[in-house]
Amino acid sequence: DIQMTQSPSSLAASVGDAVSFTCRASQGIDNYLNWYQQRPGEAPKLLIYAASYLQSGVPSRFSGSGSGTDFTLTISSLQPEDFATYYCQQSLSTPLTFGGGTKVEIK
Amino acid sequence: QVQLQESGPGLVKPSGTLSLTCIVSGGSMNSHYWSWIRQSPGKGLEWIGHIFYTGSTTYNPSLKSRVTISIDRSKKQFSLKLTYVTAADTAVYYCARGSRYTQPGDSWGQGTLVIVSS
Repeated sequence: DIQMTQSPSSLAASVGDAVSFTCRASQGIDNYLNWYQQRPGEAPKLLIYAASYLQSGVPSRFSGSGSGTDFTLTISSLQPEDFATYYCQQSLSTPLTFGGGTKVEIK
Repeated sequence: QVQLQESGPGLVKPSGTLSLTCIVSGGSMNSHYWSWIRQSPGKGLEWIGHIFYTGSTTYNPSLKSRVTISIDRSKKQFSLKLTYVTAADTAVYYCARGSRYTQPGDSWGQGTLVIVSS
């Protein structure tokens, strides 16, 4: 199985801040990397697919980058609705696997 | 705009079978992967498996011996069966639709909590 490791596990930030967090795959996955946002009590929501493509309807303050084993999700200006947990996930091969998540909390 | 909705019992006895159905509305089942994913309370996300619209299935090896996913395109639904459940199978179960790059899901159901308890 491909292991996905996210860092940090949590971070505290303020509205308006720019934040970035990372995801590392245990082996190369080309650009088969998705990012999800999950708010408490809700289903995950796809933000970014294929490492850098913005899913339809997702605000442009979200962006993704990377290829191979190292990936980054950036939020350019945090909004109140962005405080949530973010998961990366590889779609190169089955079993599809998720990272442990990064929780973004209000400072 | 496709919508997915899980349905099924919220309580299953240990050693029993967990059965869930996902009803798809507002879109075609063609050319997509249809997945089941679960999330244990306070834990991360675990992909259970998927079925392609053709009926071809792929399961997570960690659950493969106990999982069956089936599809009924005429009813626009797909289903999950998980046998010999234990407390470790207690989780929120999600169904989702995806493509090759967006799998397991660019669209998800709201999730349904299944508790395994006597």
